[in-house]
Amino acid sequence: DQQVKQNSPSLSVQEGRISILNCDYTNSMFDYFLWYKKYPAEGPTFLISISSIKDKNEDGRFTVFLNKSAKHLSLHIVPSQPGDSAVYFCAARGPPGEAGTALIFGKGTTLSVSS
Amino acid sequence: DGGITQSPKYLFRKEGQNVTLSCEQNLNHDAMYWYRQDPGQGLRLIYYSQIVNDFQKGDIAEGYSVSREKKESFPLTVTSAQKNPTAFYLCASSHMGVRVRNQPQHFGDGTRLSIL
Repeated sequence: DQQVKQNSPSLSVQEGRISILNCDYTNSMFDYFLWYKKYPAEGPTFLISISSIKDKNEDGRFTVFLNKSAKHLSLHIVPSQPGDSAVYFCAARGPPGEAGTALIFGKGTTLSVSS
Repeated sequence: DGGITQSPKYLFRKEGQNVTLSCEQNLNHDAMYWYRQDPGQGLRLIYYSQIVNDFQKGDIAEGYSVSREKKESFPLTVTSAQKNPTAFYLCASSHMGVRVRNQPQHFGDGTRLSIL
C-alpha cells in the first residue's frame, strides 16, 4: 500500500507561470518531508524540505507547503523556467526507530515547462 | 569535491550470474542506502546501513546482499536469486544523529543494470 502518493503523473506549465506539484501521505508518523528533482539517467537532486513542525518553507523560487490535518504537501515553483522540466519526487521519513532515516518516495510527477 | 560515486554507470548481467554495484562516498556520512527505481515507479528501499558492519533490510531485499566494511563504501550484490533485476539502482547517504536529523539524503548518479 502506497504511503506517499503523487496522483498526477505529469504537469505542463508555461514559462513564467506557477507550477504546483502535489503529494499526499497516509502515515501520520511521518515527520520530515522532502522534494527531489530528477533528470533521466541521473540521481535525484535535493530541492527543499520541511519538518512537520512547520507549515511552509521557502527557498528562492521554491516553496513547500505542509497541511498536516489533510496529510498533504505541495511544491510551488514561481516563476517556472524551462530548466525546471524534470521528474519531481515527494519523499517522507518516519520518526527514529523506523527504518532509520530511510525515505519513502512517491512515484513522481513529470513537469514540462514550455517557453 | 564531496559526493557519492556509483560505478559502473551501465552493467549487464547474464542469467545465473551475481553482479556487484559499487557505491563510495566522501561526505563523511554515517548512513548509506540502496534504492531501486523501475519505470513509472518511485524509489524503493533495498538495504540501508547506519553504521559500519551493520545493515538492515528494506522493503525489497530479496535477491540482494550488501556489506559495510568501511564507512565510505556500501556495495550492493544482485544475486541470481533476483528474478527481475533490470532497473536503475541508486545509492544515497546521509548524516545520522539527533542534531543532524533533518538533513536530506544525497544520491549518486545511479547504475543501470540490464539482463543479457
